[in-house]
Amino acid sequence: KAGVTQTPRYLIKTRGQQVTLSCSPISGHRSVSWYQQTPGQGLQFLFEYFSETQRNKGNFPGRFSGRQFSNSRSEMNVSTLELGDSALYLCASSLAQEVTEAFFGQGTRLTVV
Amino acid sequence: AQTVTQSQPEMSVQEAETVTLSCTYDTSENNYYLFWYKQPPSRQMILVIRQEAYKQQNATENRFSVNFQKAAKSFSLKISDSQLGDTAMYFCAFKSISGANNLFFGTGTRLTVIP
Repeated sequence: KAGVTQTPRYLIKTRGQQVTLSCSPISGHRSVSWYQQTPGQGLQFLFEYFSETQRNKGNFPGRFSGRQFSNSRSEMNVSTLELGDSALYLCASSLAQEVTEAFFGQGTRLTVV
Repeated sequence: AQTVTQSQPEMSVQEAETVTLSCTYDTSENNYYLFWYKQPPSRQMILVIRQEAYKQQNATENRFSVNFQKAAKSFSLKISDSQLGDTAMYFCAFKSISGANNLFFGTGTRLTVIP
């Protein structure tokens, strides 16, 4: 059974550009959550999608957005990139909200220069 | 709001020895889940162990066990017979049962197992 797949693994962007990251959850999982991991702020929750609907959102500016498709794959988009957006972005999938275990992908390392 | 605190940024342990990682949390909820995740250099977060707050019995998974003290809001992880493959960052995390479906993480403890 394939795990959570995040693409790309590494990305370098210039300040002011926008970026789209992709996450394919485990087959059958309908909930996808995104987290940002930085040395200074640690792991912070961005948002969660379930059945194509955003159910929960963390405390991030509107430049951070996401969506989920009918096959449960999810994308997150960051517009007008800032140097501080450099981070490891992790995606986690679970069957449903009631299920406790979340499975993580290997992340996308975004560097903004 | 929930907060999770890990007061040990770094720890080391000799191979085959036992080590305990500390975690405290703050919440006004009565029912919730607590987790320990491991993040090796590959960056993938791996669930080590899970504890339901309504269960008094401490969770155990092979060499990993927890000491859950609900009144003290403490959730420590004990690793027995440490192995080189245990070298990683360890994160304590909280998840509400009734609220949002996201994890609140501590800042992590970097564990090094010394051969």
